[in-house]
Amino acid sequence: AQSVTQLGSHVSVSEGALVLLRCNYSSSVPPYLFWYVQYPNQGLQLLLKYTSAATLVKGINGFEAEFKKSETSFHLTKPSAHMSDAAEYFCAVALSGNTPLVFGKGTRLSVIA
Amino acid sequence: DAGITQSPRHKVTETGTPVTLRCHQTENHRYMYWYRQDPGHGLRLIHYSYGVKDTDKGEVSDGYSVSRSKTEDFLLTLESATSSQTSVYFCAISESLPGQGGADYGYTFGSGTRLTVV
Repeated sequence: AQSVTQLGSHVSVSEGALVLLRCNYSSSVPPYLFWYVQYPNQGLQLLLKYTSAATLVKGINGFEAEFKKSETSFHLTKPSAHMSDAAEYFCAVALSGNTPLVFGKGTRLSVIA
Repeated sequence: DAGITQSPRHKVTETGTPVTLRCHQTENHRYMYWYRQDPGHGLRLIHYSYGVKDTDKGEVSDGYSVSRSKTEDFLLTLESATSSQTSVYFCAISESLPGQGGADYGYTFGSGTRLTVV
């Protein structure tokens, strides 16, 4: 069974600093990987996904992630944090298409002015 | 837009009462999912459906049942609500997407139902 580990339940960065949110997965086969963002009292919005095409994936709002099979990782980065990036971020994995997503426990990102 | 509507958006109910949450979609998606979200746990799968009358259990299915009598509606029922079922419930669909290089899939979530059991 696949699983997702997000390192750090809370990450705090200064405005303008690099954002790095870590995600490691376990899966018996190359999975599909997703990052979602959730703003307070809202639903989940897709940031980006890896579905077997390019390993460096660019998403919305300046975020990107790189699929590294050898490290079983899919870390999320953004070069320069904005105050509006403060939210909770979830990494998720699917064994194959149209199978249930398995989520990590989430990382809350705070951005300090 | 996958056209997913969850109802109700908010509900307060008493311990021991039955509760049904509805997920309605307008685009004939075959695959539908119910998750619950709790602080420190992320989203956990309750049940999912891969077609009309075809459902399966997820990680946290105890105390929940589902029904899918038509493609557009996926119902989640708490037979006898308990305080531990206070949570935010999300419905989702998945779909195959046309792509230029390899398989592509999308998962879209509803806006959620906030359920409080008192």
